[in-house]
Amino acid sequence: EAQVTQNPRYLITVTGKKLTVTCSQNMNHEYMSWYRQDPGLGLRQIYYSMNVEVTDKGDVPEGYKVSRKEKRNFPLILESPSPNQTSLYFCASSLSWVQETQYFGPGTRLLVL
Amino acid sequence: GQQLNQSPQSMFIQEGEDVSMNCTSSSIFNTWLWYKQDPGEGPVLLIALYKAGELTSNGRLTAQFGITRKDSFLNISASIPSDVGIYFCAGQEGSGGSNYKLTFGKGTLLTVNP
Repeated sequence: EAQVTQNPRYLITVTGKKLTVTCSQNMNHEYMSWYRQDPGLGLRQIYYSMNVEVTDKGDVPEGYKVSRKEKRNFPLILESPSPNQTSLYFCASSLSWVQETQYFGPGTRLLVL
Repeated sequence: GQQLNQSPQSMFIQEGEDVSMNCTSSSIFNTWLWYKQDPGEGPVLLIALYKAGELTSNGRLTAQFGITRKDSFLNISASIPSDVGIYFCAGQEGSGGSNYKLTFGKGTLLTVNP
């Protein structure tokens, strides 16, 4: 079954404690991306990756890092989380930048205390 | 970053009515996308538009890519209760340029009264 998986689905952490949210897709997609969703602000893209070892900033990259060492995985790293990074995070993948056959993951709800 | 203005913010309609929502941008996009998000789920891509003036349908949904490349609309005909959800537009510059990020509108919350 074609899918995008994220882990963990829920996370409560404290300010400054480094964390990683994993994202994996099984469709050999080239384009992967991370979004945060906040009430009243819709979805905002954090980072995207056109292919292995190619990443670029979205609209809200500050405080986040990503890596794309393998095609299937695109982890989101928060080196020093802060309360304003409390949000619902989605990973997504698509065949290419053309956004055909795009799939979103189930989301990760993060609370930073 | 770029801003997409999506309207209306919310709609409350009767089952069977047609719905229209739109997005405008101050920048030109080469791709317009429309998504639906159900509660507790990730967004699902409904329609993708790649050419100015393009009109594309997906069942009861129809979307158009504006001629100026700065706007797009989504119509839903004969709404049914399962159309309830949040609808998002998104734009992408892409197409030979160097900017392939996606910018989203803030969403339209649709409620359908049976």
